[in-house]
Amino acid sequence: GAVVSQHPSWVICKSGTSVKIECRSLDFQATTMFWYRQFPKQSLMLMATSNEGSKATYEQGVEKDKFLINHASLTLSTLTVTSAHPEDSSFYICSARGRIPGPQHFGDGTRLSIL
Amino acid sequence: GQNIDQPTEMTATEGAIVQINCTYQTSGFNGLFWYQQHAGEAPTFLSYNVLDGLEEKGRFSSFLSRSKGYSYLLLKELQMKDSASYLCAALDSNYQLIWGAGTKLIIKP
Repeated sequence: GAVVSQHPSWVICKSGTSVKIECRSLDFQATTMFWYRQFPKQSLMLMATSNEGSKATYEQGVEKDKFLINHASLTLSTLTVTSAHPEDSSFYICSARGRIPGPQHFGDGTRLSIL
Repeated sequence: GQNIDQPTEMTATEGAIVQINCTYQTSGFNGLFWYQQHAGEAPTFLSYNVLDGLEEKGRFSSFLSRSKGYSYLLLKELQMKDSASYLCAALDSNYQLIWGAGTKLIIKP
C-alpha cells in the first residue's frame, strides 16, 4: 500500500529555533501534499496544500511567512516552522495524494515541543 | 457552506456491532472517505465510497447515499483495539477534503 514517511517524529527545541519537517511518499508520486496541525483532543486542521513545483495554498489564518512549505519534487515536501514559539507546539501531520480522486495517505506525524 | 456532521462520541461493547453516521453538505461531491485515528497517532485510511451502496472490507463496511448526503461506517465484532476516533471526510468539486470533527468510539469489555 501507499507509504508516506514523515521525519522527525519528535522535536524538542528552544524558543526562536527554526524546525524543518520532511514528508516523503515512498512508493507513489504525490502530486499534492497536505500539511495539518492537531492540538490535543481537537480535530485535524488543514494548514496548507501544496502541488509539486508551485507555491503552497495556505488556509485562512495560517501565516505563510512562519510556516514555509516547499514541494520541490513529486516525492518530497517540507514544512519549516520559522522562529518557533511555545504556542507552535503541536502535532504536525503531512499527507500525500497521488491520483484524483484518491485517498490521502498520512505520515506518522511530528510532535513538536517548543520550550 | 460546507459541513460534515458526525456524533462526537459513541460507546459500544466488545464483540458487538456499531454504526457511525455521517451527513455531509458540500459544493459538489467526489466521494466520501473514512479514516481511523488512534490517540496520538496520524489517521489511517479505511474506505472510499463514490457510488451509492455498501462496500465491505472485512469487519468494516461503509455505506453511501448520495441523494441523502449520508454515509455510515459499520464495525462488526468489535475489538478493544477498535477504540479510536473515526473521521468522515467528503471530497468536494475542487477535490478538497472537507473533514468532520471525528467520532470518538469507546469500546467496553
